[in-house]
Amino acid sequence: EAGVAQSPRYKIIEKRQSVAFWCNPISGHATLYWYQQILGQGPKLLIQFQNNGVVDDSQLPKDRFSAERLKGVDSTLKIQPAKLEDSAVYLCASSQRVGGGPNEQYFGPGTRLTVT
Amino acid sequence: AQSVTQPDIHITVSEGASLELRCNYSYGATPYLFWYVQSPGQGLQLLLKYFSGDTLVQGIKGFEAEFKRSQSSFNLRKPSVHWSDAAEYFCAVGPNAGNNRKLIWGLGTSLAVNP
Repeated sequence: EAGVAQSPRYKIIEKRQSVAFWCNPISGHATLYWYQQILGQGPKLLIQFQNNGVVDDSQLPKDRFSAERLKGVDSTLKIQPAKLEDSAVYLCASSQRVGGGPNEQYFGPGTRLTVT
Repeated sequence: AQSVTQPDIHITVSEGASLELRCNYSYGATPYLFWYVQSPGQGLQLLLKYFSGDTLVQGIKGFEAEFKRSQSSFNLRKPSVHWSDAAEYFCAVGPNAGNNRKLIWGLGTSLAVNP
């Protein structure tokens, strides 16, 4: 079974530029998560999709961050314009269940973003 | 408030020694509990999970964890550490119902292994 795929693995941009990250979850997983992980911290949930609908985006800085999952499969996360404090690893995860029961999340390798 | 505390920011052990990483949580009801490991430059890998039943759970790579309801703890253990276990370890808790499966994460414990 293929894992969660993410690209690119690394990205360096200047502040005020835009950037996009792509994620392809494990086949059949209904729920997709985007996390931001700043060095030395635990992951912070940015947005959670269930199929192609948003379940939770309460911590997404909506003035600059956007995400979509149009067909309920892969997803893109965009930052426009980037700030220095956006430098972090962006992790994508997926889980199988929609409702009821345990729901472990499986993570991709992440995209390391450096904003200069 | 819901929270996860990993009291040890950094731990160093010798190869072959035993290991215990602490995790305490504050949650309204009995949550689902997870331990993840993150090697340098990698994503997070699920080590083990507790949902119900036997409070001692076995995971991958020889790890185990024990859920103690009275202490609100879910400590991770390994009897003999290998150099390849050097990594960041995260404890997380999540709800056992509902569609919003947001996990509450600890800040992590960095494990170094001396040869």
